Amino acid sequence: GNSVTQMEGPVTLSEEAFLTINCTYTATGYPSLFWYVQYPGEGLQLLLKATKADDKGSNKGFEATYRKETTSFHLEKGSVQVSDSAVYFCASNAGGTSYGKLTFGQGTILTVHP
Amino acid sequence: GAGVSQSPSNKVTEKGKDVELRCDPISGHTALYWYRQSLGQGLEFLIYFQGNSAPDKSGLPSDRFSAERTGGSVSTLTIQRTQQEDSAVYLCASSSGGTSHSYGYTFGSGTRLTVV
Repeated sequence: GNSVTQMEGPVTLSEEAFLTINCTYTATGYPSLFWYVQYPGEGLQLLLKATKADDKGSNKGFEATYRKETTSFHLEKGSVQVSDSAVYFCASNAGGTSYGKLTFGQGTILTVHP
Repeated sequence: GAGVSQSPSNKVTEKGKDVELRCDPISGHTALYWYRQSLGQGLEFLIYFQGNSAPDKSGLPSDRFSAERTGGSVSTLTIQRTQQEDSAVYLCASSSGGTSHSYGYTFGSGTRLTVV
């Protein structure tokens, strides 16, 4: 079956620090991979995605590269801001008979202090 | 509509009562999903609709849970005889992707259900 494992949080950083949130997946076939973000009091929003190996998704200064050899999709940002404080979810979608069903990681809480 | 709309945003109910949660997807989106987010847990898949049919309802936790979708649009998730462990945020999402696996979802803001 499909599964997604994220690094455990919470993660606390100072503003302008470098961020990495690790994500690894197991899946049959070649899934698409996603990062979703949930800001306080809001719903989940798609942050970025990658649909095949070596693709890099990017948005709002965040990046993640689809690494088939290590089955990973780690989220990075070079300089975080207080406004990046949120919960981040990694997800995979195996497609085919799994339709669009996403398998989510447990989520990582990020808090950025001024 | 412009986004996925869910109602109510908050619901407090007594143990043993039935509740109905509503989801209004983005107009034209054929795929609709229900997920549950419990405190300290990730997102748990409940059911998937393509049009009005539900090819995958494997995530429904028990026969107290049911869902329907009418007119290829609005969906209702019903929980009968609610239990305290049903307390969670219920999230609805829609997409235009159908069977494509490269589309992301658009999520609603969720319904926070509290069973007392």
